[in-house]
Amino acid sequence: DAGVTQSPTHLIKTRGQQVTLRCSPKSGHDTVSWYQQALGQGPQFIFQYYEEEERQRGNFPDRFSGHQFPNYSSELNVNALLLGDSALYLCASSLGGWTSGLTDTQYFGPGTRLTVL
Amino acid sequence: DAKTTQPPSMDCAEGRAANLPCNHSTISGNEYVYWYRQIHSQGPQYIIHGLKNNETNEMASLIITEDRKSSTLILPHATLRDTAVYYCIVGYGGATNKLIFGTGTLLAVQP
Repeated sequence: DAGVTQSPTHLIKTRGQQVTLRCSPKSGHDTVSWYQQALGQGPQFIFQYYEEEERQRGNFPDRFSGHQFPNYSSELNVNALLLGDSALYLCASSLGGWTSGLTDTQYFGPGTRLTVL
Repeated sequence: DAKTTQPPSMDCAEGRAANLPCNHSTISGNEYVYWYRQIHSQGPQYIIHGLKNNETNEMASLIITEDRKSSTLILPHATLRDTAVYYCIVGYGGATNKLIFGTGTLLAVQP
């Protein structure tokens, strides 16, 4: 059973550029959440997608946007990159429909390490 | 802000039980306690979660106090591979709601 996969593994960009990160959820999962983890900090919630719609959003600017496809995979886009966007970007998947109840949880991928120069 | 308090670091001897404490004094009645761990530069790994009762799985045991204001994660026989940052998180519906991570506890298992 394939777990959560993310691509690319590492990425180097320069300030002002745009970046797209990709995530494929665990088999059977329909919800994707994105987190940003700066060095030495815990992951911070960016947003969550369910049924191709953004369901929740954390305290991140509009430069951060996303998309979910019919096969439940997801993309995270960041425009006008800043040095402070350098971080590990984590994708987590879960089963988020009405049948999941309150007992399910999120499973994380290995992350994409983004470096902005 | 995270709603949990954890010690920044702990040591444990290999083969011994590791007991990681977490305070969550403001937990609401319907909030679960989740534990994740993160080995260096990898994605967080789900360990266990619970509401009121103690829980056990193949990885660990979770002991929640009767007033639910604190909990302890127990790794019964720690190995060097258990060296990681352990995060205690409280929240509703872990599948559909954001997880709010604090800074966690760095557990160092010593040979």
